[in-house]
Amino acid sequence: GAGVSQSPRYKVTKRGQDVALRCDPISGHVSLYWYRQALGQGPEFLTYFNYEAQQDKSGLPNDRFSAERPEGSISTLTIQRTEQRDSAMYRCASSSQLNTEAFFGQGTRLTVV
Amino acid sequence: QKEVEQDPGPLSVPEGAIVSLNCTYSNSAFQYFMWYRQYSRKGPELLMYTYSSGNKEDGRFTAQVDKSSKYISLFIRDSQPSDSATYLCARAQGGSEKLVFGKGTKLTVNP
Repeated sequence: GAGVSQSPRYKVTKRGQDVALRCDPISGHVSLYWYRQALGQGPEFLTYFNYEAQQDKSGLPNDRFSAERPEGSISTLTIQRTEQRDSAMYRCASSSQLNTEAFFGQGTRLTVV
Repeated sequence: QKEVEQDPGPLSVPEGAIVSLNCTYSNSAFQYFMWYRQYSRKGPELLMYTYSSGNKEDGRFTAQVDKSSKYISLFIRDSQPSDSATYLCARAQGGSEKLVFGKGTKLTVNP
């Protein structure tokens, strides 16, 4: 596609529900990153993939958060048993390979009520 | 101490002014330094990156890294209203993976 596509753009969920956020990277990009951005803050690293391999998940806040990229293209970030503190903008980025420019998507605004 | 410190501003300047945006970082192992621009309701976009120390110029923008003082700067000459955005500094050790961002500085250029 023309850019990194994320869906849904907005998600409102009740506390305790599970959510799945989707990222469709730029076609051919092998590296994919997930970040979380709170209002008035810079993006905070969560995890990244090289092809289908999750290379670093040190930024995932706890075990309720998980991510996968089974075929090395689309990725899903799943948050189980959501809590209000999970409310934020979740951003995905992709790059053609490691050590090259990462392009960010529009993000998914998650609100947990 | 946060790895990358950035004054959030906001910063308001008249059109045509020279803008100076600054960050400090704490870990000497960092090699790559980036500046991202983020317009309201948009994702960050890479503006400039530098490797190690020195200056890099691109049009009206100059990025500067001083490793001895762990200071990174972005200068915007002849600022335009279209430059109004939040500017985020970031660092990486090996490239674009695991970027660590500052809070961002919100800049408004008034016509």
